[in-house]
Amino acid sequence: GQQLNQSPQSMFIQEGEDVSMNCTSSSIFNTWLWYKQDPGEGPVLLIALYKAGELTSNGRLTAQFGITRKDSFLNISASIPSDVGIYFCAGPSPYFGNEKLTFGTGTRLTIIP
Amino acid sequence: EAGVAQSPRYKIIEKRQSVAFWCNPISGHATLYWYQQILGQGPKLLIQFQNNGVVDDSQLPKDRFSAERLKGVDSTLKIQPAKLEDSAVYLCASSRFSGQPQHFGDGTRLSIL
Repeated sequence: GQQLNQSPQSMFIQEGEDVSMNCTSSSIFNTWLWYKQDPGEGPVLLIALYKAGELTSNGRLTAQFGITRKDSFLNISASIPSDVGIYFCAGPSPYFGNEKLTFGTGTRLTIIP
Repeated sequence: EAGVAQSPRYKIIEKRQSVAFWCNPISGHATLYWYQQILGQGPKLLIQFQNNGVVDDSQLPKDRFSAERLKGVDSTLKIQPAKLEDSAVYLCASSRFSGQPQHFGDGTRLSIL
């Protein structure tokens, strides 16, 4: 089935660094969602994007809905230890039915002491 | 508001046994989802309910998996008989309406011996 490709797969950074990750698809999406999942917990919604070109911030997090509607980006500024986890992009694609969420492969963020 | 509640948190069974998971969505949320998350992957939708009706079960292995939401509130997911490849985290999510951002529970981690 359809899969969203996220890159990088994993990141190892030092506290205080900025982080950038992206999500791409071969088909268009109407909505882009970014979730964070901590070990042993369910995904938590961070940011929702509803319009091509939209740039939305949530604290130190900023996400953008790509103009082509086939990609999205998430940036984290000045990373802190609690940013560690797996970040998933997700979205409903008209190709698969507008209400079914497809999840990306995830980006695992690790902070090196 | 209280989040999505799931139980049990962990379950270990032998292959060919049966198992059931329970989910109580956020109060007032009409739509309920069951996802399967295999280690290292993003969640994959198994079934979606709108109130007590099934909206999408196209990815549910119906020969062994079943789910119900009889009164349109809480839901159970059952596997009978379990196979080794069913080892995964089973996540429940809910949303106020279909197409709205989904809120996840912490999942049930199932291990098949």
